[in-house]
Amino acid sequence: GNSVTQMEGPVTLSEEAFLTINCTYTATGYPSLFWYVQYPGEGLQLLLKATKADDKGSNKGFEATYRKETTSFHLEKGSVQVSDSAVYFCALSSWYSGGGADGLTFGKGTHLIIQP
Amino acid sequence: NAGVTQTPKFRILKIGQSMTLQCTQDMNHNYMYWYRQDPGMGLKLIYYSVGAGITDKGEVPNGYNVSRSTTEDFPLRLELAAPSQTSVYFCASSSLLAEELFFGEGSRLTVL
Repeated sequence: GNSVTQMEGPVTLSEEAFLTINCTYTATGYPSLFWYVQYPGEGLQLLLKATKADDKGSNKGFEATYRKETTSFHLEKGSVQVSDSAVYFCALSSWYSGGGADGLTFGKGTHLIIQP
Repeated sequence: NAGVTQTPKFRILKIGQSMTLQCTQDMNHNYMYWYRQDPGMGLKLIYYSVGAGITDKGEVPNGYNVSRSTTEDFPLRLELAAPSQTSVYFCASSSLLAEELFFGEGSRLTVL
């Protein structure tokens, strides 16, 4: 079946540091890939997405590139802020490959803590 | 614009009790989902629906039931609460199956 593996947290960085959160996946067919963010006490919200190989998703200074050859979708940001502190989830959709109930598969989440 | 609204936000149940978590969306989305989130485990799909009158099981459906009588509403029912059902529950909706999901704020359930 489909699966998503992302780096364990918590990840603690200083403000203005460079961020990378690794995400790799296993899926049949050609999934879409997503990063969701969850701020404390809130539901998840979509941060960015990519629907095909070599696509780059970007939003709020975050970027991730769909790498089919390495089955990866790493999240990066050049200079993090305290307000970026949250839990980040990598996810894939097997909708295009007929995943049915596997439709959206999430990783376990990475807790990011940014210190001033 | 309310989006996805879940109630209640918090609930404590005794073992064996029943309850319903309510979920309503005002975006006219056909697809709706219930997930549970356990610490360090990510999100697991409980049930989903592709439209009014149609529901299907996800990865962890045991102990839960759902119905979808209208496009807007997708309640989740726990019939005989067990401690293993202590979790945070999220309802979500989307306009396309498993594409961008819009989540509610979550319902924290504790079974004692």
